[in-house]
This record gives sequence, structure tokens and C-alpha cells, in this order.
Amino acid sequence: KAGVTQTPRYLIKTRGQQVTLSCSPISGHRSVSWYQQTPGQGLQFLFEYFSETQRNKGNFPGRFSGRQFSNSRSEMNVSTLELGDSALYLCASSLRDARGLNEKLFFGSGTQLSVL
Amino acid sequence: DAKTTQPNSMESNEEEPVHLPCNHSTISGTDYIHWYRQLPSQGPEYVIHGLTSNVNNRMASLAIAEDRKSSTLILHRATLRDAAVYYCILRGGSSNTGKLIFGQGTTLQVKP
Repeated sequence: KAGVTQTPRYLIKTRGQQVTLSCSPISGHRSVSWYQQTPGQGLQFLFEYFSETQRNKGNFPGRFSGRQFSNSRSEMNVSTLELGDSALYLCASSLRDARGLNEKLFFGSGTQLSVL
Repeated sequence: DAKTTQPNSMESNEEEPVHLPCNHSTISGTDYIHWYRQLPSQGPEYVIHGLTSNVNNRMASLAIAEDRKSSTLILHRATLRDAAVYYCILRGGSSNTGKLIFGQGTTLQVKP
């Protein structure tokens, strides 16, 4: 069974541009979450989707948005990029509702975004 | 959210057991204890989780203190591939939102 797939693996953008990252969850998984990882802040939660509905959002500005499609695939978008948005963006999927206390999250290898 | 405390780093020799501690003194009765690890250049990987009883799986064992204020992840025979950052995470309680709150974790070095 294929794991969580994130594309692209690497991305270089300049300040002010926007970017869209893609995540394909494990087949049959209905929940997708996004995390940002930086050396200074560690792993921080961005948002979580279940059945195309955003269930929870972390403390990030409105420039960060996302959506989930009917096939559970998800995209996140960052508009008006800033230097501080340089980070590894990780997507995770789970079979059922990610709020399930026994639920395991399966992470992709991430998209490394560099903003110049 | 209840907080966890882990040592910043630990070292182990290859093929020896490793005990990774985690303190969670403010854990609530409904919090599950989850462990994830992150190998270099990869996303985090689920390791194990439990509520009250000790748990075993093919990767590791989880020993939970009787008062649940601490737990220990046990790798029975460390290999070089086990070198990673290990995160102890509490899930549940009154603020269950589906998000994982990652602390700084413990960086495990395995020496050949």
C-alpha cells in the first residue's frame, strides 16, 4: 500500500509569490493534517481536514489556507510568501477522524519550501 | 494541553536496550500517551501508544507508571536505524482537537 505522497519534494520561491503544496493520503484514509517544521519552532500544527471539512486550525496567519477534495487529497496554499515561511511542510493522514484518541497518523516525507 | 518533558538527547550502543523517559505530571485520566519518531529527512513515524497498561509491538514497548505521571519507551535492541528524534505526545483530555503537539523530543544517537 502506498504511503502518504507529497509533491513537490522541493520548492524554491521568492518573497511575495504564492505556492500550492499537494498531499495524497494513504488509500482509504479520510483525515488529512498539515504541519510546519522549522529548526527554531519545531513541528507546529497548521490545519486538519476530515471529509472535506476543516475541523481545526493552528495559530497561523490567514495567508495559510487549505482544502480537501472528495477523494481525500488535500492541498495547502501560502500566499504572499515571506522569508519566514521557509520550512518543511508535512502532511499526515489517518484512517478515521484524527481526533480519535487511538488514531495513528501517517506522515509523508514533506515538501521543503525555500523562500528567497 | 497537558505537557510532556523529555531529555534533549541520549546515547546508546548498537544492539543494547534503550530506555527513553517521558514525564507528564499533568496528564488527565483520558489522555493517551503516543510516541512518534522522526528519522533524518523523513516525516514523523508512529511508534506506539497506550493509556494505562504496558504495550508491546514489533517496534518497541511502552511502560507506563502506575500513577501515569511518566512513561518509558523501550527499544529492546537498538540498531543504527533507530537513530532519530523521539517525541512523547499526549492525546485527548478536554482539548482533544485531533492535532499532535510536538515538543522538542529526545535525539537518540546510536553508536556502532
